[in-house]
Amino acid sequence: SQTIHQWPATLVQPVGSPLSLECTVEGTSNPNLYWYRQAAGRGLQLLFYSVGIGQISSEVPQNLSASRPQDRQFILSSKKLLLSDSGFYLCAWIHTGLGFEAFFGQGTRLTVV
Amino acid sequence: GQNIDQPTEMTATEGAIVQINCTYQTSGFNGLFWYQQHAGEAPTFLSYNVLDGLEEKGRFSSFLSRSKGYSYLLLKELQMKDSASYLCAVSRPGANNLFFGTGTRLTVIP
Repeated sequence: SQTIHQWPATLVQPVGSPLSLECTVEGTSNPNLYWYRQAAGRGLQLLFYSVGIGQISSEVPQNLSASRPQDRQFILSSKKLLLSDSGFYLCAWIHTGLGFEAFFGQGTRLTVV
Repeated sequence: GQNIDQPTEMTATEGAIVQINCTYQTSGFNGLFWYQQHAGEAPTFLSYNVLDGLEEKGRFSSFLSRSKGYSYLLLKELQMKDSASYLCAVSRPGANNLFFGTGTRLTVIP
């Protein structure tokens, strides 16, 4: 069965510090991987998606970047965090079968102070 | 573009039935999903509709009308543990993404 691991679960970082969130997938190969952000009271906003190693598409210009160094690894980064980067970050694997179905990691609650 | 609308909050009584509506306007349609999200946790899959009609799964049912751009999630015999946010999401052909609504926060009261 497919499993998504995402860490850390919670993170408190000062403004201007770097960020690295990691997501790994088990039980599938060549997955489509996604990073979403959910601000308080808001829906899920797609940040980046990747259909393969080294292939990154950005949906929203911002202070973040993503990388796909291995088939089952997806990393979200920032060189200098802003207060507005606070939120709940979710990694997802979207299976393109009959339609789309998304499996989510546990999420990372990031608070920038 | 796409626009997905859901009520922000709803309250219902334990044991009752509640219907959560979702309307969507998208350029293309490939399916509609409902997810449940408890506070501080990741969303979990509830249902998927691609054809018009009602899909029943235990206490949860989901309905779709593609011509009206409308779906609802029906929760029967409400339990306290059903208090959560319910997210409506739409997939489009050729778009490598699910487009999510802002979610409906359901509170079940005794």
